[in-house]
Amino acid sequence: QSALTQPPSASGSPGQSVTISCTGTSSDVGGYSYVSWYQHHPGKAPKLMIYEVNKRPSGVPDRFSGSKSGNTASLTVSGLQAEDEADYYCSSFAGSDNPVVFGGGTKLTVL
Amino acid sequence: EVQLVESGGGLIQPGGSLRLSCVASGFTVSNNYMTWVRQAPGKGLEWVSLIYSGGSTYYPDSVKGRFTISRDNSKNTLYLQMNSLRAEDTAVYYCARISPWPSIDYWGQGTLVAVSS
Repeated sequence: QSALTQPPSASGSPGQSVTISCTGTSSDVGGYSYVSWYQHHPGKAPKLMIYEVNKRPSGVPDRFSGSKSGNTASLTVSGLQAEDEADYYCSSFAGSDNPVVFGGGTKLTVL
Repeated sequence: EVQLVESGGGLIQPGGSLRLSCVASGFTVSNNYMTWVRQAPGKGLEWVSLIYSGGSTYYPDSVKGRFTISRDNSKNTLYLQMNSLRAEDTAVYYCARISPWPSIDYWGQGTLVAVSS
């Protein structure tokens, strides 16, 4: 069982927005501003989409945005495109003894 | 250009050992925090080891005492020594760079480890 809880699936039509949640505890998501989001197309290397809750690495479209409220972080994909169809994973810092915890992943389907 | 290329995966019997290698280019492994992350079939991502630039290492309980992360600065290469392998260690293993902390900005393509008799 993953440390962080994500919905197994999410979907939306092209052009729509979809939000994926990532729920943890005050010991991880709620306790630090160190939530990241990764996009993973099967068979390829995962790609960092969001770091430190809401920052985008260079090259990531501004259609991707992150936020956090309490123990739950969220990734919003606006203006859905076919190439956004992928698995998305959240991760969080969880203290010096367990630095990295991941969510179970959410399969995003573009209808 | 930053690249990470893993090798060393394969089919191994339970109780066996395997060493994964990850050759880095475009940056210096010893100046960065590095990690190994795995994905079991049909499962999510799981962190399995971490080495800080200073050399300190960390492992989750699931692999502690069995896995060892190390690096060879002269070869700019990261390693994962895996001993006492179990069926539940079957996964694709990714080598990755941590930056900015604790995000992973570069990942390798992964190498498959299958533990089965």
